[in-house]
Amino acid sequence: DTEVTQTPKHLVMGMTNKKSLKCEQHMGHRAMYWYKQKAKKPPELMFVYSYEKLSINESVPSRFSPECPNSSLLNLHLHALQPEDSALYLCASSQDRGGQGYTEAFFGQGTRLTVV
Amino acid sequence: RKEVEQDPGPFNVPEGATVAFNCTYSNSASQSFFWYRQDCRKEPKLLMSVYSSGNEDGRFTAQLNRASQYISLLIRDSKLSDSATYLCVVNSYKAAGNKLTFGGGTRVLVKP
Repeated sequence: DTEVTQTPKHLVMGMTNKKSLKCEQHMGHRAMYWYKQKAKKPPELMFVYSYEKLSINESVPSRFSPECPNSSLLNLHLHALQPEDSALYLCASSQDRGGQGYTEAFFGQGTRLTVV
Repeated sequence: RKEVEQDPGPFNVPEGATVAFNCTYSNSASQSFFWYRQDCRKEPKLLMSVYSSGNEDGRFTAQLNRASQYISLLIRDSKLSDSATYLCVVNSYKAAGNKLTFGGGTRVLVKP
């Protein structure tokens, strides 16, 4: 099973709302990621969790707050977003071999977020 | 200079033809390399990992040239269904941890 499941698939939220994106994998992967993708652009890394600890934050604004409750789950909490934050948010996971690098990453179908 | 660069294309390919394109990376310490395929409004899907000795999967061949810091993808006998954006992904290990970086993607259009 190489499945990464993201919910919801679509989300429309106002600028004052608080919402959360969820991601789940059962492949035993210990690295999990959040990417943001705008139309006609490649995915941009936001956060990396390695063994449930935040290892990389690509200077993401604090209105995005990641959380890794356990090795299978990854959340992205959203608060006070701006219309320019509208994008496809992708979760991915992979094995983490530390200094030996990663194995291939598998992506969820993404959450298409619209901020109004 | 971007960490991972690709020719955005589009590469217009007649059905049945061969197409090849490259991806260059700037970090000589990069360890793992992958090609992904992304269809419009879909998530990236792993096409193949790229190994030092080069590897082939059906009509797809990937090569790694560490000296010149590029990887390549060759598609033989192109099918209409090969039309997609092909994303190069490079893993680099830094003090903060492993980081997977995407190139900008190469768009391939296979036409009858």
